[in-house]
Amino acid sequence: KAGVTQTPRYLIKTRGQQVTLSCSPISGHRSVSWYQQTPGQGLQFLFEYFSETQRNKGNFPGRFSGRQFSNSRSEMNVSTLELGDSALYLCASSIGGEQFFGPGTRLTVL
Amino acid sequence: LAKTTQPISMDSYEGQEVNITCSHNNIATNDYITWYQQFPSQGPRFIIQGYKTKVTNEVASLFIPADRKSSTLSLPRVSLSDTAVYYCLVADSGYSTLTFGKGTMLLVSP
Repeated sequence: KAGVTQTPRYLIKTRGQQVTLSCSPISGHRSVSWYQQTPGQGLQFLFEYFSETQRNKGNFPGRFSGRQFSNSRSEMNVSTLELGDSALYLCASSIGGEQFFGPGTRLTVL
Repeated sequence: LAKTTQPISMDSYEGQEVNITCSHNNIATNDYITWYQQFPSQGPRFIIQGYKTKVTNEVASLFIPADRKSSTLSLPRVSLSDTAVYYCLVADSGYSTLTFGKGTMLLVSP
């Protein structure tokens, strides 16, 4: 089976712009979670989607949003980018209790 | 939320057993404990998961005492390729509560 894929792998944006990241889960996985990873804060949970519905949400501002499509693919959007949004954004799909992570999208905000 | 605490770093030599302990004093009844391994520029990779007592798989063991306020990941006979960051995650099965530790950087030397 193909693993979790994320596009793009690298992205450079400027403050105030918005960005959309994409995640394709492992075939058959209906749960997709998003995480932000930074050197200072480590891995922080953003939100989780299951069958096109946001099931859980972490403690992030409303600028961070997401959605899931009927084929379980998911997108994450960050609006009005800030310098502090520079991070590795990880997507994970799961079935049962085990999460499988993608390689991440490295977002740099200038 | 169950806050987790791990050592920032650990050093070891090839062939030794390494034990990494994670403290999670406020773990809830429904929470499971999962450990992940992460290499640079990659997403975390599942190692092992447990609820109580001891769990063993082909790569590691997980020891959880009766009070479940801590857990210890045991890596037998480490090799250079085990040099990575190891994360402890406490979460319920539905990921409605989810807390990652800040990670332990394990350096294995020849």
